[in-house]
Amino acid sequence: ELKVEQNPLFLSMQEGKNYTIYCNYSTTSDRLYWYRQDPGKSLESLFVLLSNGAVKQEGRLMASLDTKARLSTLHITAAVHDLSATYFCAVAVQGGSEKLVFGKGTKLTVNP
Amino acid sequence: DVKVTQSSRYLVKRTGEKVFLECVQDMDHENMFWYRQDPGLGLRLIYFSYDVKMKEKGDIPEGYSVSREKKERFSLILESASTNQTSMYLCASSFRPQHFGDGTRLSIL
Repeated sequence: ELKVEQNPLFLSMQEGKNYTIYCNYSTTSDRLYWYRQDPGKSLESLFVLLSNGAVKQEGRLMASLDTKARLSTLHITAAVHDLSATYFCAVAVQGGSEKLVFGKGTKLTVNP
Repeated sequence: DVKVTQSSRYLVKRTGEKVFLECVQDMDHENMFWYRQDPGLGLRLIYFSYDVKMKEKGDIPEGYSVSREKKERFSLILESASTNQTSMYLCASSFRPQHFGDGTRLSIL
């Protein structure tokens, strides 16, 4: 059974600092997604990672995937207040369906 | 852009009522999903559908059923609502990534 663990669950950081959110998963998968959720809003897709060594960047966020270690990271560079949100990783269940298993989410607060 | 529309943003129902949550997508996706989101628990899959009239149980199907009579529409049914079904319900349709609706915050009194 696929299990997905994200850490930390809560992250409070100052503007301008760097930090990394980690997403570990327990069984082989060929796809991993990162989503963002603002308070009271729905989930917005940020990145789709499809292969070992994949790296995607958008603004101050960079996501990477190591399928051998079953680990993805979401790196935040020089954080700004607008990045405050909850970030989820989601891992695809192998076997041909489109099912995903989500981590519990990391609530990021960026303080001025 | 993919649009996934959930029929209600907020809903209040009473214990024992039969509750219908509706979801419509405009991208001709085959796969549609219902999740519930609770604080500290993340998103948990209730049911999903990979084609019209086809469905599979997710991780927490107890107390729920679904209906997919048309490709664009996926309904979640609470057969006899209970207070522990108070939650945020999210619908999604897919093809890679999953696209989510705005959610329905359901309160069962």
